[in-house]
Amino acid sequence: DARVTQTPRDKVTEMGQEVTMRCQPILGHNTVFWYRQTMMQGLELLAYFRNRAPLDDSGMPKDRFSAEMPDATLATLKIQPSEPRDSAVYFCASGSNRGHKGAYAFFGQGTRLTVV
Amino acid sequence: DAKTTQPTSMDCAEGRAANLPCNHSTISGNEYVYWYRQIHSQGPQYIIHGLKNNETNEMASLIITEDRKSSTLILPHATLRDTAVYYCIVRGLGTASKLTFGTGTRLQVTL
Repeated sequence: DARVTQTPRDKVTEMGQEVTMRCQPILGHNTVFWYRQTMMQGLELLAYFRNRAPLDDSGMPKDRFSAEMPDATLATLKIQPSEPRDSAVYFCASGSNRGHKGAYAFFGQGTRLTVV
Repeated sequence: DAKTTQPTSMDCAEGRAANLPCNHSTISGNEYVYWYRQIHSQGPQYIIHGLKNNETNEMASLIITEDRKSSTLILPHATLRDTAVYYCIVRGLGTASKLTFGTGTRLQVTL
């Protein structure tokens, strides 16, 4: 089955360190979303890309977060420097608008980030 | 994108139908209704979506009222594995359209 792959699954890091999370979207999907989930805030949309171009990153703290798609098979979310409040589960999802009456997204299993 | 309103939680006996309601009174004509669910600690899972006609797939049925201001997700024979948070989302088709999650309904299926 096609699936979205996220690495690493778990990451523990010290405050101030750089963290990079990776996502491999489903082959052929042209839309990639990044979400963050915490108990307090629920699922928050951080950024999303269409055809590798950023469409909206208004949900992302710009001073420390950055999201990129170096190629169609890889999306990255970077935090530098990390802070304890960044502790959360980060989900990547991919989807496609092509050939469907509506678009939907498939989610990866997430990266659980703990910043100590 | 239109906002949605869902009950915070619901219970359902195993083997019975689970009917999860969603209000989306400000939905626009070109916006679809999507349903996702999230089982504890997993990524959200797509269930079904529709525009104005009722839809059915192997997982569930989606009933959308004629005025499109509300919908109901039906799990015909709920099992314990259906225990999850269910999200109703309204989303347009534009290239800048987001997929924004609310707080969802926590469905507890019991023996």
